[in-house]
Amino acid sequence: DAKTTQPPSMDCAEGRAANLPCNHSTISGNEYVYWYRQIHSQGPQYIIHGLKNNETNEMASLIITEDRKSSTLILPHATLRDTAVYYCIVRVAGAGANSKLTFGKGITLSVRP
Amino acid sequence: KAGVTQTPRYLIKTRGQQVTLSCSPISGHRSVSWYQQTPGQGLQFLFEYFSETQRNKGNFPGRFSGRQFSNSRSEMNVSTLELGDSALYLCASRWDPLGETQYFGPGTRLLVL
Repeated sequence: DAKTTQPPSMDCAEGRAANLPCNHSTISGNEYVYWYRQIHSQGPQYIIHGLKNNETNEMASLIITEDRKSSTLILPHATLRDTAVYYCIVRVAGAGANSKLTFGKGITLSVRP
Repeated sequence: KAGVTQTPRYLIKTRGQQVTLSCSPISGHRSVSWYQQTPGQGLQFLFEYFSETQRNKGNFPGRFSGRQFSNSRSEMNVSTLELGDSALYLCASRWDPLGETQYFGPGTRLLVL
């Protein structure tokens, strides 16, 4: 699976949009971009994933650049409960997929009141 | 639909003891993966089970074992516990091994004294 690079931390004000960047310059054509988050001492929570088109669900939006070398997770209206470590992962899905997920250090998002 | 459940949530054991952790996947999910998470090593893959068969295995000693039952519930066992086995043990389920997204349980926090 391709490696990802995320800044170690960022913060945003409650109610504002949080834009979390991720670089994955070595991504392959059959690799998806996944985002998970982990609130302290809880299990990782799936947020969203995409291949090349932008995706949106009830939690967030995922914007993938046209060359697929980077992406941005957008939390449109951050709340204090969104304070967590966010992991960007690139991996093959479907046929040939590896079982294991590998999380890097992620980005710590702190939402301030 | 209920999420992945893990029992117990917290456990304290002493060195040399053995422990069994349980995981119930999301209804309809047939693949269960286990992970160990520590501050120093991050998230590490233990093994994956599908249809009662171990499909993939990480680099852990033989003291770590698992099994899956016909109802897809899974257990993992750690024998002869060591201090270094203290960790958050996470279970993740998906529809099948080719499924795109793994969903995690809350984890079992194991402390070995």
